[in-house]
Amino acid sequence: DSGVTQTPKHLITATGQRVTLRCSPRSGDLSVYWYQQSLDQGLQFLIQYYNGEERAKGNILERFSAQQFPDLHSELNLSSLELGDSALYFCASSVAGQINQPQHFGDGTRLSIL
Amino acid sequence: AQSVTQLDSHVSVSEGTPVLLRCNYSSSYSPSLFWYVQHPNKGLQLLLKYTSAATLVKGINGFEAEFKKSETSFHLTKPSAHMSDAAEYFCVVSDIQTGNTGNQFYFGTGTSLTVIP
Repeated sequence: DSGVTQTPKHLITATGQRVTLRCSPRSGDLSVYWYQQSLDQGLQFLIQYYNGEERAKGNILERFSAQQFPDLHSELNLSSLELGDSALYFCASSVAGQINQPQHFGDGTRLSIL
Repeated sequence: AQSVTQLDSHVSVSEGTPVLLRCNYSSSYSPSLFWYVQHPNKGLQLLLKYTSAATLVKGINGFEAEFKKSETSFHLTKPSAHMSDAAEYFCVVSDIQTGNTGNQFYFGTGTSLTVIP
């Protein structure tokens, strides 16, 4: 058990809809990272938050947004969903600022767009 | 600029034979390096990490990796493959971000390991 909790585990919705994915980091971790993993694109870094503030952006679409709350949990919002957004979405957390501390990953949310 | 290259996208070995998954990195500083394993439909699990202590790092499930600074490599090995080792493996570098705003993680593209019975 990594200590990172992601909900829901599975999500099925239709094109054009909006969904919210939730992540609770490991106790004590201040940084949260979001990744998208699909068969054709592999593992793609989306965005990083540190203690409530956006720290780094990767290949995140404008239709996607995220935030980290004061209690350090994070949400990834996906809107105007398209078939190509079907993927596994992972959250990871780490003790930011220390390069010798690894990321710990949740089990992911599998998003299926019909 | 930091980067990670996993030299093989697919590796196939017979059960009981050695495993070698290759990783090269580039980094401006003294990085930390990690290997993760991902089984189908699962999250990434940390196998081992190098953090500037011993250059030969032992991980879980019999895996180990050797940090070679002169070759900028961090290859993952296991003496004898088991069927349960079939999975995707990711090499990751952690490095200081510019502006000292914390560390960033850089992922290789992954190596898919197949174990033949």
